[in-house]
Amino acid sequence: AQSVTQPDIHITVSEGASLELRCNYSYGATPYLFWYVQSPGQGLQLLLKYFSGDTLVQGIKGFEAEFKRSQSSFNLRKPSVHWSDAAEYFCAVGARGNAGKSTFGDGTTLTVKP
Amino acid sequence: IAGITQAPTSQILAAGRRMTLRCTQDMRHNAMYWYRQDLGLGLRLIHYSNTAGTTGKGEVPDGYSVSRANTDDFPLTLASAVPSQTSVYFCASSDSVAEENQPQHFGDGTRLSIL
Repeated sequence: AQSVTQPDIHITVSEGASLELRCNYSYGATPYLFWYVQSPGQGLQLLLKYFSGDTLVQGIKGFEAEFKRSQSSFNLRKPSVHWSDAAEYFCAVGARGNAGKSTFGDGTTLTVKP
Repeated sequence: IAGITQAPTSQILAAGRRMTLRCTQDMRHNAMYWYRQDLGLGLRLIHYSNTAGTTGKGEVPDGYSVSRANTDDFPLTLASAVPSQTSVYFCASSDSVAEENQPQHFGDGTRLSIL
């Protein structure tokens, strides 16, 4: 069975600082990997996805993530955080043949200090 | 604007009452999902449907039922609500078929309180 771990429940960074949110997954084959963002009172919005090919994927809002098979990780990064990035971030893993069902991590809440 | 519409946006319900949460999508996605989101527990899949006419159980299906009479609608029913079903419920859809795994599109959620 697939699983996702987001080790950091809450992260605080200063505006303009760099950001890295950690995600570790467990799955026997090549996974489908996603990062979603959830603003207060809203549903989840896709930031980026990895299916195959280039292990560094670019997403919306200046985010990127790198798939590292050897570390079973898919960490999300942004070089310079903006106050509007404050939200909750979810990593998710999907399995081939699982018709779209994804397993979500418990989320990381990002606070941005002025 | 294309997307997922959930109704109601919030509801307070007495325990023991029956409640149906509505979900409609206009993207013609074949797969749809219901999740509940609870503090500290992340998103947990309740039920899903790979295509119209089929449904499946997720991680926490007990106390909930779904139907998928057509592509667009995927209602979630609580037959007899209990306080532990107090949660935020999200409906999602994806354009996924058997071997593929496309990202999911989410509604804005229904905040349900059972008293």
